[in-house]
This record gives sequence, C-alpha cells and structure tokens, in this order.
Amino acid sequence: DGGITQSPKYLFRKEGQNVTLSCEQNLNHDAMYWYRQDPGQGLRLIYYSQIVNDFQKGDIAEGYSVSREKKESFPLTVTSAQKNPTAFYLCASKPDGRTEAFFGQGTRLTVV
Amino acid sequence: KNQVEQSPQSLIILEGKNCTLQCNYTVSPFSNLRWYKQDTGRGPVSLTIMTFSENTKSNGRYTATLDADTKQSSLHITASQLSDSASYICVVSAEGGATNKLIFGTGTLLAVQP
Repeated sequence: DGGITQSPKYLFRKEGQNVTLSCEQNLNHDAMYWYRQDPGQGLRLIYYSQIVNDFQKGDIAEGYSVSREKKESFPLTVTSAQKNPTAFYLCASKPDGRTEAFFGQGTRLTVV
Repeated sequence: KNQVEQSPQSLIILEGKNCTLQCNYTVSPFSNLRWYKQDTGRGPVSLTIMTFSENTKSNGRYTATLDADTKQSSLHITASQLSDSASYICVVSAEGGATNKLIFGTGTLLAVQP
C-alpha cells in the first residue's frame, strides 16, 4: 500500500538529548514537510524539502535539523537546543502540481 | 498577515444531528481551501477542496461551501455519526501551491455523543 509512515508513534526524550523522528514515503512525491502541532494552535512548518539533497527552513526551524539523502526519507532531529520540544509532530508529502498534502500518523514526543 | 480562523473552537452534538463549522480567512492571493479531518492521535486527511469558482461541494455527509467575496467557508455535517468525532481543520493555500504557503486554522474539535 502506498503511504507515508512515521515512527515511532510515541517517543520520550530526556532533557539534553537529541532524538530523530523517522518519515518514509512510497508515494514517489518529491516534496516532503515536517510540521509541529500544539494544543490550540494550527500546524506550524518546521522544515520542508522540494527535492533530494535540498531543504529549507520553515517558520520554526530553530532547534531542529533535517536531511534528505533519499527521495523516500526525510528524518527530523530534535536537538537539545529546542527548548520546548514536547509536541505532536506530523510529516507530510505532496505530489508536484497539487496542493493536497498527505500526512503520516504522527509522532508524539514527550520530554521527561 | 495571512490568517485562517475557525469557529467554534469545540462543539458537542448528539448523534444524528447536523452541525456547521466555520472558517474565515485573510489569505492573498487565494488558490484553494481544503477541509481536513484529523482523528485523535492521527494525521489529517483531506475531505474536500474548494477553488475560487466553486460555491458548494459535497463528499458524502460532508458539504463544504465557499464565499470568495466574504472569504468565508463552512463545513456542514449531516446526520452525524460517532465516527465524526474529530478535529476539523481548514487549510488555505496561497497562489503557487507550494506547501510552504499552506495556512492552517487551529481546528474545531467535534464530539458526537450517543
């Protein structure tokens, strides 16, 4: 089945640690995105990539890093520089020429 | 500033009843407007897309309307079911279609009770 897969579903991080969230898609989409969702707020764009080996900062990129070495994969690293990382993280991909974003099931990150 | 505002913030209705969710936007230049349904702990899924020239579009029990003059959209749910309990997010795309120009509303949390 075609789709976009995020893992893990739940992730716990100790303060000062870096963690990496996985996002894989087999939809053959060029563009991939990472969003953060907090209660009472709309989705906010962290990073996006329109093509392999290229990515751009979104509105809230500080404390995050990404890579796009393969078309299928767009992992997000939450670094210790992100002061308030507890949130629900959503990965999305989009086909060229369309505005519909296809979302993964999300990863809930909690700092303990 | 591009913004999307939704109301109400939350809504509780009884199973079988109808409801209407509202979305007001100030996005320019406007490309299209989508309604997404997001189940708790899941990713959003697109329900409908409205372009500038469309006034009404239905998807089963969901009917979306768009008034491009007043920059308002509504999502009407008919004969609600328990499975309709979710967050409904209005997303407006600015012209160009790049996802970095998607503006998300904060969503309306709908609870359908038996």
